[in-house]
Amino acid sequence: EVQLLESGGGLVQPGGSLRLSCAASGFTCSSYAMSWVRQAPGRGLEWVSIIYSGGGSTFYADSVKGRFTISRDNSMNTLYLQMHSLRAEDTAVYYCAREVPGSGNYDYWGQGTQVIVSS
Amino acid sequence: EIVLTQSPGTLSLSPGERATLSCRASESVSSNYLGWYQQKPGQAPRLLIYGTSSRATGIPDRFSGSGSGTDFTLTISRLEPEDFAVYYCQQYGSSPRFSFGPGTKVEIK
Repeated sequence: EVQLLESGGGLVQPGGSLRLSCAASGFTCSSYAMSWVRQAPGRGLEWVSIIYSGGGSTFYADSVKGRFTISRDNSMNTLYLQMHSLRAEDTAVYYCAREVPGSGNYDYWGQGTQVIVSS
Repeated sequence: EIVLTQSPGTLSLSPGERATLSCRASESVSSNYLGWYQQKPGQAPRLLIYGTSSRATGIPDRFSGSGSGTDFTLTISRLEPEDFAVYYCQQYGSSPRFSFGPGTKVEIK
């Protein structure tokens, strides 16, 4: 059974850093494109970043470029999101998601981890 | 930048009725890369449709997708009680690489 389990969220001060993890099971994470998607309180979904299979190319939303880094540990079958210079507007539930190969859409999602940026 | 607009913002219907949700893109979107999600409060989104019209695994056939270019539609043929939720369309393109629409809430009338 495919499962994604996020962790690492919490309360952090503006300007701080946090690393989110997404442990995958039931499939090999490195064989799929994997993304982070976030949802601010009461708002819609916002794509944050993607890492592709194979060469591991990465892309970011303009709102996080230069501050967030997506990566994966193939030995741990885990996806990460390193977040620096956090702002109040980064407050959201962060989901990791697996792409349906070649579709640009996401078929499996984790339950989400809450990030709150506040002093 | 491709912007997705969804209408209506809220759809008030009764169980058993047909729901028609619209997603309009500011530029043409490849039909291969348009999907629809359902989200209920406190839950992660669930993929319903990918590639405009392909149902995801386990999705009942009362859900169908159609469209091309800039206009796409999600149709729920007969609403079941568990279908009342928020629905998002999502595209994969060039810039931004991925984007979601603002959502349509389907509520019980």
